[in-house]
Amino acid sequence: ETGVTQTPRHLVMGMTNKKSLKCEQHLGHNAMYWYKQSAKKPLELMFVYNFKEQTENNSVPSRFSPECPNSSHLFLHLHTLQPEDSALYLCASSQGEGREHQPQHFGDGTRLSIL
Amino acid sequence: SQKIEQNSEALNIQEGKTATLTCNYTNYSPAYLQWYRQDPGRGPVFLLLIRENEKEKRKERLKVTFDTTLKQSLFHITASQPADSATYLCALPRGSTLGRLYFGRGTQLTVWP
Repeated sequence: ETGVTQTPRHLVMGMTNKKSLKCEQHLGHNAMYWYKQSAKKPLELMFVYNFKEQTENNSVPSRFSPECPNSSHLFLHLHTLQPEDSALYLCASSQGEGREHQPQHFGDGTRLSIL
Repeated sequence: SQKIEQNSEALNIQEGKTATLTCNYTNYSPAYLQWYRQDPGRGPVFLLLIRENEKEKRKERLKVTFDTTLKQSLFHITASQPADSATYLCALPRGSTLGRLYFGRGTQLTVWP
């Protein structure tokens, strides 16, 4: 059971499509994160939001555009993606940045395939 | 830059034995270290956190050690069961911003009956 819900679970899209990934957390947390997980590679942090403000963009290409309308919801807007963007995209939340030792709670991810 | 290495991609052990997974890091001194479990098609799940001033932490059949001199953490599962089969990830804080994490590649543990 997870307090972080991601939709859709699977997404197949062409390189010219536009789609969005959604993440919702029911834990009352203030920080939310997007990660990319590719086969045989560590989780790569993409974006961090703390109290709805973006606090990190880890050199992510502009074809990925995050949006955080409130502390419970996080979106990742996708457009003109490349085949190498195929991966598992994970959303996570924690109590808040600057709160040391807080574990992150993950959703089950969106498996994205770019044709 | 900080680097995290987990000892091997895969570890296979027999049920009932103790599984030991290793996480080594370089180039900094983290205030804490976390371990997560990830099952196929699922997100990581937090298991344990150990602080730099703690040598050992236990939770049921799990035990984590943290040696800041060796820059290493060991993760032990005693009396392992097939249900323990999963990928285990270690994570350390990124730089000075608390709450952000670097993750290792993970070690895939298989426990066979």
